[in-house]
Amino acid sequence: QKEVEQNSGPLSVPEGAIASLNCTYSDRGSQSFFWYRQYSGKSPELIMFIYSNGDKEDGRFTAQLNKASQYVSLLIRDSQPSDSATYLCAVNQGGSNYKLTFGKGTLLTVNP
Amino acid sequence: GAVVSQHPSRVICKSGTSVKIECRSLDFQATTMFWYRQFPKQSLMLMATSNEGSKATYEQGVEKDKFLINHASLTLSTLTVTSAHPEDSSFYICSARDARGGPGNEQFFGPGTRLTVL
Repeated sequence: QKEVEQNSGPLSVPEGAIASLNCTYSDRGSQSFFWYRQYSGKSPELIMFIYSNGDKEDGRFTAQLNKASQYVSLLIRDSQPSDSATYLCAVNQGGSNYKLTFGKGTLLTVNP
Repeated sequence: GAVVSQHPSRVICKSGTSVKIECRSLDFQATTMFWYRQFPKQSLMLMATSNEGSKATYEQGVEKDKFLINHASLTLSTLTVTSAHPEDSSFYICSARDARGGPGNEQFFGPGTRLTVL
């Protein structure tokens, strides 16, 4: 059973702080890793993806991947109240299998 | 770019009726689309993978005769919930993968369809 684990939270941070979201996965053969943001009642929105070890930055967001530890994280700098949402980690095994396995998500609350 | 639409956004129906949900990729061609279901406070559960011109691949435990999927073109997949019952009430979300691929094979999600069966 391929699993993706996330701390359900809620994770509460003050406005302007760095929010750190973590995810571990069980399938060592996983190739691509995604972070989606989902506001209540809405569908997921892609924030970024990463497939190489190390860091990938996009604006206030940084994804970090460590395949040896089977760990992927998302850092949100200068957190804003509008960042309050559930963050979903998703993993793809690559190749011709395009299916995503989702974690249960971490609820982030940014307090003004 | 990478816009996926779904129709309808919300539907309320009586038990025993069938409901069709459409998923369209608006600015790209999608050889592969996915159908998910999400119950309140739970994560997305993949129901099936829809491939253009071929039969859908259903996940374990999903009844293929109840959830009919058709992917007749590179921009349209439909999900029909047949003989819907209250336990089928959920948030149904489709996603699409650009046929041109991409470094991450990312999926783009539609806005979802909230189904309520009375």
